Amino acid sequence: GAGVSQTPSNKVTEKGKYVELRCDPISGHTALYWYRQSLGQGPEFLIYFQGTGAADDSGLPNDRFFAVRPEGSVSTLKIQRTERGDSAVYLCASSPDRNYGYTFGSGTRLTVV
Amino acid sequence: GDSVTQMEGPVTLSEEAFLTINCTYTATGYPSLFWYVQYPGEGLQLLLKATKADDKGSNKGFEATYRKETTSFHLEKGSVQVSDSAVYFCALSASVDYKLSFGAGTTVTVRA
Repeated sequence: GAGVSQTPSNKVTEKGKYVELRCDPISGHTALYWYRQSLGQGPEFLIYFQGTGAADDSGLPNDRFFAVRPEGSVSTLKIQRTERGDSAVYLCASSPDRNYGYTFGSGTRLTVV
Repeated sequence: GDSVTQMEGPVTLSEEAFLTINCTYTATGYPSLFWYVQYPGEGLQLLLKATKADDKGSNKGFEATYRKETTSFHLEKGSVQVSDSAVYFCALSASVDYKLSFGAGTTVTVRA
């Protein structure tokens, strides 16, 4: 597509529930990134995919967070047993290669109540 | 670790005023430096970048110069417009890395 698409744009869930956030990168972009932006803060790195594999998941805060990219295109960020502290905007970005600039999506605003 | 500190906002200006947003960084090696902008309701967009010392990045009337001696990358625009109202983020990536480290963002509002 023309840009990075993230769905849903907004998600409200109850504490303890499981959520999935989807990212559709620009066609042909092999590198895909997830960031999390808490209120009043800059985005923080979560995970980087090169193709299908997670090349760097050092930013995932704990084992409740997991991400996949099974066919090297669409990626899903999965959060188990959500907590109120997980409330944030989750940003996805893609690039043709790790050394190129990113294109960010508009994000998914997750609210855990 | 690598980090970025940028001027706190919010900043409110009148149209045609001069804008400066200060950004300083801490990093090992020779990072690349970026300014990203987030307009209301939109995703983060790269505004400009500089990859080595003394480089000047420029775009849409904005400029920033990579100053290694002061570890700074201040953003400037000589005459702002209402359409420049946005949140501005300074960021860096380490020389052999791809992860971006962002500052907290500065909200700029330009009044007509």
